Amino acid sequence: ILNVEQSPQSLHVQEGDSTNFTCSFPSSNFYALHWYRWETAKSPEALFVMTLNGDEKKKGQISATLNTKEGYSYLYIKGSQPEDSATYLCAFGSGSGNTGKLIFGQGTTLQVKP
Amino acid sequence: DVKVTQSSRYLVKRTGEKVFLECVQDMDHENMFWYRQDPGLGLRLIYFSYDVKMKEKGDIPEGYSVSREKKERFSLILESASTNQTSMYLCASSLHGPAAFFGQGTRLTVV
Repeated sequence: ILNVEQSPQSLHVQEGDSTNFTCSFPSSNFYALHWYRWETAKSPEALFVMTLNGDEKKKGQISATLNTKEGYSYLYIKGSQPEDSATYLCAFGSGSGNTGKLIFGQGTTLQVKP
Repeated sequence: DVKVTQSSRYLVKRTGEKVFLECVQDMDHENMFWYRQDPGLGLRLIYFSYDVKMKEKGDIPEGYSVSREKKERFSLILESASTNQTSMYLCASSLHGPAAFFGQGTRLTVV
């Protein structure tokens, strides 16, 4: 059974703090690792798609790294703002990748206090 | 902007009712997906579709069916709703590959 684990489950930080969380996934048969942000009462929004070992992606103050050999990805938020409060989901795609099937982690819920 | 629209934000249905959850996307995407999300669990794929009239089972298809008669519309059907189908349901679409654009979700309660 393929398993994707995210830690921590939830996180509370102060505005301006930098934070990071982890996504662990199977290291075999890797195709892609996806990160999504899901704000309360909104639709999940795709943040990054990462396919190569050592990939680093950046969007504003959010960045992500990928290690496919050991099966983990980190998401970093530099100088968190209240509007960064959301649940961050990672999802693992295996095999040919175009099957459309992803295995999602349970998410990390971030609360940024002003 | 791609829009994926789910017909209801909240639904309350009785056990045994037939329930239809509708999803429409406006970007001519080939792929459409239905997921459910439960506390402490990741999104789980129920069904997906690569083309009109085409469907494939996801990881948890039991108790559900789907319909894709037109490219833009993908319906999830609960033939006889049960309380263990109380959940948040998310529809998604993509041009190719995995889910890229999600709807806002339908929170279904079966009583």
